[in-house]
Amino acid sequence: DVKVTQSSRYLVKRTGEKVFLECVQDMDHENMFWYRQDPGLGLRLIYFSYDVKMKEKGDIPEGYSVSREKKERFSLILESASTNQTSMYLCASSLKLLQGDYEQYFGPGTRLTVT
Amino acid sequence: AQSVTQLGSHVSVSEGALVLLRCNYSSSVPPYLFWYVQYPNQGLQLLLKYTSAATLVKGINGFEAEFKKSETSFHLTKPSAHMSDAAEYFCAVSAFKAAGNKLTFGGGTRVLVKP
Repeated sequence: DVKVTQSSRYLVKRTGEKVFLECVQDMDHENMFWYRQDPGLGLRLIYFSYDVKMKEKGDIPEGYSVSREKKERFSLILESASTNQTSMYLCASSLKLLQGDYEQYFGPGTRLTVT
Repeated sequence: AQSVTQLGSHVSVSEGALVLLRCNYSSSVPPYLFWYVQYPNQGLQLLLKYTSAATLVKGINGFEAEFKKSETSFHLTKPSAHMSDAAEYFCAVSAFKAAGNKLTFGGGTRVLVKP
């Protein structure tokens, strides 16, 4: 079974703090993704990575950065947390396109509250 | 660019009744379509996917969906609802690029099952 784990289920941070969200997958997937989930808006892609040290902006990258130093680990960084970044954050991974498996596998999510 | 519209943010069904969740998409290229389910306090789990084979796709837990190109739809159905089907359901379309299979999600439909 594919397993995607996220470092925290719940986080509470103060405005202006630097926040790190960590995601680890154990299936040797090339692609990894960070989404945020808000009621009524579904999931929106923040960043994704298709290889170590490679990254590409998603639909809402402002206020976020990412790091992928190892294939199994993808980190989301909030440089200076703001209250409008209070949300559920979901990490996902998948095999690369040409290998024919289009499914993304999701972690359990981190609910971040910024006060 | 791809987009997904899910009609109805909330659906209430009686146990044993038909479940019908609507999804319409727009895509400039032949789409790959997915339905995911999210149970409370969990990540997303794949229900089924359409990847240009059969237009009627069967998934887990008795769900199925039919791809209708002329209607740009991919509605999800289950003949008889069970209490365990209470969850949030997301339709997604894939945008294929060389770098990976990004998903664009609809806003989600929360299903309530009444005894």
